[in-house]
Amino acid sequence: AQKVTQAQTEISVVEKEDVTLDCVYETRDTTYYLFWYKQPPSGELVFLIRRNSFDEQNEISGRYSWNFQKSTSSFNFTITASQVVDSAVYFCALTQYNQGGKLIFGQGTELSVKP
Amino acid sequence: AAGVIQSPRHLIKEKRETATLKCYPIPRHDTVYWYQQGPGQDPQFLISFYEKMQSDKGSIPDRFSAQQFSDYHSELNMSSLELGDSALYFCASSLMVAEQYFGPGTRLTVT
Repeated sequence: AQKVTQAQTEISVVEKEDVTLDCVYETRDTTYYLFWYKQPPSGELVFLIRRNSFDEQNEISGRYSWNFQKSTSSFNFTITASQVVDSAVYFCALTQYNQGGKLIFGQGTELSVKP
Repeated sequence: AAGVIQSPRHLIKEKRETATLKCYPIPRHDTVYWYQQGPGQDPQFLISFYEKMQSDKGSIPDRFSAQQFSDYHSELNMSSLELGDSALYFCASSLMVAEQYFGPGTRLTVT
């Protein structure tokens, strides 16, 4: 069975702090993809990153970075120097290559960045 | 760049009525997905289409049906609406098994 767990339901930080959002996944497949999506208060779902199971390289995009570790089945997301505009619900998601692409989402982490 | 278009953005219906949600995927994307997101919950997969053929089905009630048309737009039809159907309905599109780009969603309220 596939499952994504985001144990942190809510996180509150002060602007300019660094924050890490945790994501742990379960899958029996060897080929799969992991994603992060951002859902701001306006409600839309914004794609942030995709990682495939064969690529364990960490990635950095501006203030965002992702740490993928197959040994611990984790795909964590770090925001450096957080800003108020980062306030949103962040979802980690999984899809298996042979399952048509449907996303299995974690429960989401609500990040609140206070000025 | 073109994004996924959904209409209507908001819809209010009464119990037992019917609703139709429309989705226009990003041009040249070959797969369309529908998700339902209840208040405070994560999106749940309903159904998907690859090149106009149903490719996968999730926890979609029998009261719901969907199809993808020759111009690639998709419609989600929901009949005998119940209060519990109130949710945000997302359509997403992708090119093969890749990142899915979501539309703005349709907020359905059943009274």
